[in-house]
Amino acid sequence: QKEVEQNSGPLSVPEGAIASLNCTYSDRGSQSFFWYRQYSGKSPELIMFIYSNGDKEDGRFTAQLNKASQYVSLLIRDSQPSDSATYLCAVNKGSNYQLIWGAGTKLIIKP
Amino acid sequence: NAGVTQTPKFRILKIGQSMTLQCAQDMNHNYMYWYRQDPGMGLKLIYYSVGAGITDKGEVPNGYNVSRSTTEDFPLRLELAAPSQTSVYFCASSYYAGNYEQYFGPGTRLTVT
Repeated sequence: QKEVEQNSGPLSVPEGAIASLNCTYSDRGSQSFFWYRQYSGKSPELIMFIYSNGDKEDGRFTAQLNKASQYVSLLIRDSQPSDSATYLCAVNKGSNYQLIWGAGTKLIIKP
Repeated sequence: NAGVTQTPKFRILKIGQSMTLQCAQDMNHNYMYWYRQDPGMGLKLIYYSVGAGITDKGEVPNGYNVSRSTTEDFPLRLELAAPSQTSVYFCASSYYAGNYEQYFGPGTRLTVT
């Protein structure tokens, strides 16, 4: 079992719809969860982070964390073509300095 | 602020050659990281540093070395390049430990033939 798992996609979503991206993790000691966006040929950039169970909203983005089920998700409302990118889920390894990264989900927003 | 800078952007090495990938940050971050990203894969941590003079191995350190003599600079040394080291290399930094936002450089695309 991989430490952080994501569906590789591609996930195709019509413009204006809600895109839902999921991530599961194996380390029950993990406490910090991150979503990064990576455009093709570019470096990752932070979209959202979440530390507590429940939902966290920032504009069109909502991160959801369920530690009991060991999953974290990212919802993108009113999807735009500019949201087309690969979304990387990262989870801290217990109390370590390290982040463990998923392979990413490629999201395509169709106009 | 320039943020995190990396040089070179691209490089082709022959098997057995050595090179140093440069990384610098001007945000006064204590924590710095080197990752590699293979096609369709997530980031793998090579080495990290928690401050000047302190470095430690990550997940995939074999074939690489690092040093951190200043807060700003964190070069990655490849010795005896192998085709398996063909990848995109990202340097990142953060003010606090791994549970805070990491800022990434633009990356170095390395091909070993």
